[in-house]
Amino acid sequence: GENVEQHPSTLSVQEGDSAVIKCTYSDSASNYFPWYKQELGKGPQLIIDIRSNVGEKKDQRIAVTLNKTAKHFSLHITETQPEDSAVYFCAALQTSYDKVIFGPGTSLSVIP
Amino acid sequence: NAGVTQTPKFQVLKTGQSMTLQCAQDMNHEYMSWYRQDPGMGLRLIHYSVGAGITDQGEVPNGYNVSRSTTEDFPLRLLSAAPSQTSVYFCASSSPRTVNYGYTFGSGTRLTVV
Repeated sequence: GENVEQHPSTLSVQEGDSAVIKCTYSDSASNYFPWYKQELGKGPQLIIDIRSNVGEKKDQRIAVTLNKTAKHFSLHITETQPEDSAVYFCAALQTSYDKVIFGPGTSLSVIP
Repeated sequence: NAGVTQTPKFQVLKTGQSMTLQCAQDMNHEYMSWYRQDPGMGLRLIHYSVGAGITDQGEVPNGYNVSRSTTEDFPLRLLSAAPSQTSVYFCASSSPRTVNYGYTFGSGTRLTVV
């Protein structure tokens, strides 16, 4: 079955700096890679996603890159703000099967 | 739309008791899943369903039962609660008909077994 690893487990950055979170997956059949943000006391919320036929996707200050050959994908947050502080989860799934496997999460702290 | 609604938000059980965590969605989503979240373990899949009448096991199914008699509801049953089932439980739904396959999550149920 699919296994998703995520690094680092914790990340502290100064406000305005960039943050990068990296994930690897094991199942080459996975073709959809969403990222979720979880604020304290709330359920995870989808923030960006990428499909296997795309190498990079941007949405304002966040971007995701995918290297299918290496089975790596990464989340990039630029110009970080205190409200970016949260736990971020990557995930991988086969859209035809829809069994979503999450990485263990990264706790991001943005220091004002 | 209410999205995904989970009840109760908090629950304390004694070891050996049984209970049902409720999950309902009003988006007509085909797919629904239950996850548990423990510190340092991320979100682990318990059971999932791709449609009414169809369920399957996830990564950590032992001690839990599910059923999907309607599209809207996907209850999770704890048969005989154990302290190891102390966790935060999330229900989620999605649909292949949406532009992305991203799950919509409920706000969670915090369960403590004493």
